Amino acid sequence: NAGVTQTPKFQVLKTGQSMTLQCAQDMNHEYMSWYRQDPGMGLRLIHYSVGAGITDQGEVPNGYNVSRSTTEDFPLRLLSAAPSQTSVYFCASSYSEGRTIYFGEGSWLTVV
Amino acid sequence: AQKITQTQPGMFVQEKEAVTLDCTYDTSDQSYGLFWYKQPSSGEMIFLIYQGSYDEQNATEGRYSLNFQKARKSANLVISASQLGDSAMYFCAMREGLSGGGADGLTFGKGTHLIIQP
Repeated sequence: NAGVTQTPKFQVLKTGQSMTLQCAQDMNHEYMSWYRQDPGMGLRLIHYSVGAGITDQGEVPNGYNVSRSTTEDFPLRLLSAAPSQTSVYFCASSYSEGRTIYFGEGSWLTVV
Repeated sequence: AQKITQTQPGMFVQEKEAVTLDCTYDTSDQSYGLFWYKQPSSGEMIFLIYQGSYDEQNATEGRYSLNFQKARKSANLVISASQLGDSAMYFCAMREGLSGGGADGLTFGKGTHLIIQP
């Protein structure tokens, strides 16, 4: 049972490049979400999904794109990376009204 | 206004003492959940404890308990008998929108950096 798996763990991008952060869960959770964590701050919600085919924006969605074609996977796309997107990214999953929200180990992204 | 407020940026505590980490929240929802997470220096987010707004008793998980005072909108984390391994960042978070069945994401506080001293 792998839980929530994020890849890659570390990535350096040049400004303007695009990339996809992968997130997969094997717990059959309906709910998945992406957060970013900047120094000295808590996590902030980027996008979330309550099921396959359904996504919605969180607090800081600009510059990011998501889709949910399967229950298991919820990739986060950076279309044109900017230095302001340098951050640690966390994927999370749970049942829709779950009392436990599971997080992946995080992806450290640097945009130069 | 901040939805989650953690007023203690940092705390130093002697090993084996009890610790209370403060968290106040702001919501107009009737159905919501409150979470505490631990983030060690390695960076992962470790779930500690959950309290639902309709739960009649305060949540407990081993050495962790949640002092839930609904009228005061307070959800403080209590760690009994602190250990050196408890040194970490601790985040309080809230999930709203539960009554609608399509829960929103978590809103986090800025965290408390807890250091346990021997």
